[in-house]
Amino acid sequence: QKEVEQNSGPLSVPEGAIASLNCTYSDRGSQSFFWYRQYSGKSPELIMSIYSNGDKEDGRFTAQLNKASQYVSLLIRDSQPSDSATYLCAVTSQGNLIFGKGTKLSVKP
Amino acid sequence: GAVVSQHPSWVICKSGTSVKIECRSLDFQATTMFWYRQFPKQSLMLMATSNEGSKATYEQGVEKDKFLINHASLTLSTLTVTSAHPEDSSFYICSAFRTSGGQLAKNIQYFGAGTRLSVL
Repeated sequence: QKEVEQNSGPLSVPEGAIASLNCTYSDRGSQSFFWYRQYSGKSPELIMSIYSNGDKEDGRFTAQLNKASQYVSLLIRDSQPSDSATYLCAVTSQGNLIFGKGTKLSVKP
Repeated sequence: GAVVSQHPSWVICKSGTSVKIECRSLDFQATTMFWYRQFPKQSLMLMATSNEGSKATYEQGVEKDKFLINHASLTLSTLTVTSAHPEDSSFYICSAFRTSGGQLAKNIQYFGAGTRLSVL
């Protein structure tokens, strides 16, 4: 069974700080990696996708991928209380999209 | 705007009745759609993969006769919860896997807004 692992948290950071969310995956053949944000009671919303090793930046978000270490992370700069949500890591594996259980992020004002 | 439309957003029904939830991909064709269920404070659980023109593939432990899935066109999949009971109360979310059409990035799953089902 291919797996995607995330620390469930909660991860608590002060407003303005950098939040670092981590994810590891077991299928070395995975090619596509995604971060979704899910607010309580809402459905997941795609915020980042990354397909090659290195960093990908989009506004305050940076996704980092290291295929050799089977590790993908999401950095949120200048964290805001509105960033408080559960962040889901998702990885394609053998044609399926496998989700981690999510990390709950809490940004304190 | 939404790329996957899910309807209804909230439904309350009596025990024993059936409820149909629709999932539509907007502006793109989706040969594959997915149905998830999420209980409060728990992670997403994949229930089934819906394939256009063929039978859905159900995950282990999901009753196919209870959760009927129909993917009759490239833009519409429906989930019918038959003879719903209080334990079926949950947040049901569909997603569509985009492989063609429009301006959106391909090979990405887009989620509907979800349907909150409350069975009395």
